[in-house]
Amino acid sequence: GAVVSQHPSRVICKSGTSVKIECRSLDFQATTMFWYRQFPKQSLMLMATSNEGSKATYEQGVEKDKFLINHASLTLSTLTVTSAHPEDSSFYICSARVPEETQYFGPGTRLLVL
Amino acid sequence: DAKTTQPNSMESNEEEPVHLPCNHSTISGTDYIHWYRQLPSQGPEYVIHGLTSNVNNRMASLAIAEDRKSSTLILHRATLRDAAVYYCILRSGGSNYKLTFGKGTLLTVNP
Repeated sequence: GAVVSQHPSRVICKSGTSVKIECRSLDFQATTMFWYRQFPKQSLMLMATSNEGSKATYEQGVEKDKFLINHASLTLSTLTVTSAHPEDSSFYICSARVPEETQYFGPGTRLLVL
Repeated sequence: DAKTTQPNSMESNEEEPVHLPCNHSTISGTDYIHWYRQLPSQGPEYVIHGLTSNVNNRMASLAIAEDRKSSTLILHRATLRDAAVYYCILRSGGSNYKLTFGKGTLLTVNP
């Protein structure tokens, strides 16, 4: 299957700072990537759909000014959590769509905001 | 998105087959049935997907009911590494490729 990587795998930051998470498709080009968030003992919640070269589409209730998404190339999408607070601590997972197939997921990024 | 219903948890023994059920009575004609699994602290892993016919791959088999209102993921010989949360998801066949995750089934494999 297709390979998707994320960096960093875990990050600890102070409240009020911004954190950038990278999502890369390693062996294919992805015109569409997705960002999810998962809290402990819960399922994945879709945050936004990221399309290369255009603005991301955010799900209801997700603040677009807080979670900045950039999809500047066919292999890279970034999620920046701005002015992070402890309640933003979560497991952030990206996925990339393979045309005519399905989504392949990254390994996730654990964010802890102190 | 059409909703799926899965048991909260299931248990199996190592090297025995496992049948994971999924009900999707409101499935539409263009909805694909996808299965993913997630190990602790990892991103979901694609398992298999299908539309109408049964599907086989190296990981599992997907049996789809004739009326498509239910499906079963079959692991032919469970191993300890198959212990995970398994998600059954319906994806619209249109251009919207969004996946909506439910709670899934927590599979425990006993040695």
